[in-house]
Amino acid sequence: NAGVTQTPKFQVLKTGQSMTLQCAQDMNHEYMSWYRQDPGMGLRLIHYSVGAGITDQGEVPNGYNVSRSTTEDFPLRLLSAAPSQTSVYFCASSSEGGRAFFGQGTRLTVV
Amino acid sequence: AQSVTQLGSHVSVSEGALVLLRCNYSSSVPPYLFWYVQYPNQGLQLLLKYTTGATLVKGINGFEAEFKKSETSFHLTKPSAHMSDAAEYFCAVSEYNNNDMRFGAGTRLTVKP
Repeated sequence: NAGVTQTPKFQVLKTGQSMTLQCAQDMNHEYMSWYRQDPGMGLRLIHYSVGAGITDQGEVPNGYNVSRSTTEDFPLRLLSAAPSQTSVYFCASSSEGGRAFFGQGTRLTVV
Repeated sequence: AQSVTQLGSHVSVSEGALVLLRCNYSSSVPPYLFWYVQYPNQGLQLLLKYTTGATLVKGINGFEAEFKKSETSFHLTKPSAHMSDAAEYFCAVSEYNNNDMRFGAGTRLTVKP
């Protein structure tokens, strides 16, 4: 099983550029989430989804958009990248009552 | 809103010594509590999870944690550290199972030979 797959693994953006971080899971999980990890701050929840067509904001949603058109995919969009968005991004999925599975992360640098 | 405080950003122990990583939480409802481990350049791996019932939770790799409601704590322990335990450890809390987790800042564990 592939589990949770994130692409790309690394990305460098210029300030103001847009991009989409991809996340796909093959476990038919209802729940999917995006986190960012910064030194000394742990992981902070950006957005999450409890099923296709349903999304909600987490702790740090500003500057990010999400959508959930299918159960499998949960892309994270940066509309206008800023240096403050330089971080490592993790996607996670889980079923109701089940453990969360994390992807390997996307390391994003905004210059 | 729920939150987690991990006491000590770095903990160093000798191989074979007791490992104790501290976590205190805040939650307005009975919490779900988690410990995750992260090895360099990798994602997070679940060590253990508390939902309801028995307050002493056993996880993988010999780790366990005890939920103490009166102290709002969920400290992680392992009787005897191994070199392979060196990693970063994160405590997390959720009010709605594991979809909306709030993480602590993490504790980096170093194991000395």
